[in-house]
Amino acid sequence: NAGVMQNPRHLVRRRGQEARLRCSPMKGHSHVYWYRQLPEEGLKFMVYLQKENIIDESGMPKERFSAEFPKEGPSILRIQQVVRGDSAAYFCASSERATTSRSSTDTQYFGPGTRLTVL
Amino acid sequence: RKEVEQDPGPFNVPEGATVAFNCTYSNSASQSFFWYRQDCRKEPKLLMSVYSSGNEDGRFTAQLNRASQYISLLIRDSKLSDSATYLCVVNNAGGTSYGKLTFGQGTILTVHP
Repeated sequence: NAGVMQNPRHLVRRRGQEARLRCSPMKGHSHVYWYRQLPEEGLKFMVYLQKENIIDESGMPKERFSAEFPKEGPSILRIQQVVRGDSAAYFCASSERATTSRSSTDTQYFGPGTRLTVL
Repeated sequence: RKEVEQDPGPFNVPEGATVAFNCTYSNSASQSFFWYRQDCRKEPKLLMSVYSSGNEDGRFTAQLNRASQYISLLIRDSKLSDSATYLCVVNNAGGTSYGKLTFGQGTILTVHP
């Protein structure tokens, strides 16, 4: 049973370019989460998506960042016009069930991450 | 006040030692609590969920005190392979959704021979 897959594992971009990060959840998982870890810092939540829906984007920067999880294919985190401060490890996680106030959070399994370097 | 706060350490202990990590969280509506482990430049991996009744998995024991909003992790008989950063994780710490996990800044543990 393959785990969460992310690609590319390493991505180098120059300032002003676009970065596209892909995440394929575990088989049977329809909930995807993106987290960012800046150098020497902890993981920060960015966005929570279900197929074709954004559930919580409270951690997404207001500009240049967008995320989608289409009906078919992987989830995509897109960063437009990258700046040096975007250099970080971006982790994707997936879970099987929905999480509501009446249930415990389903376990989130993390992918190996994409390390983005902006020159 | 940080949503999830833990002592960053570092903790340097000899093999065989017992070490305890503590964590506090700010949102009383949080329902799920976890300890994750992160090795250098790798993804976080779930170590154990934390329940109000306390739970144990081999050498690891986790405790939750909802009244104090406090979580702990105890590691007994430390092994060299336990060296890692231990992350205290809480859902809905910011009150936006139960799917959102909030991570503490991590506690660094180094076990030496």
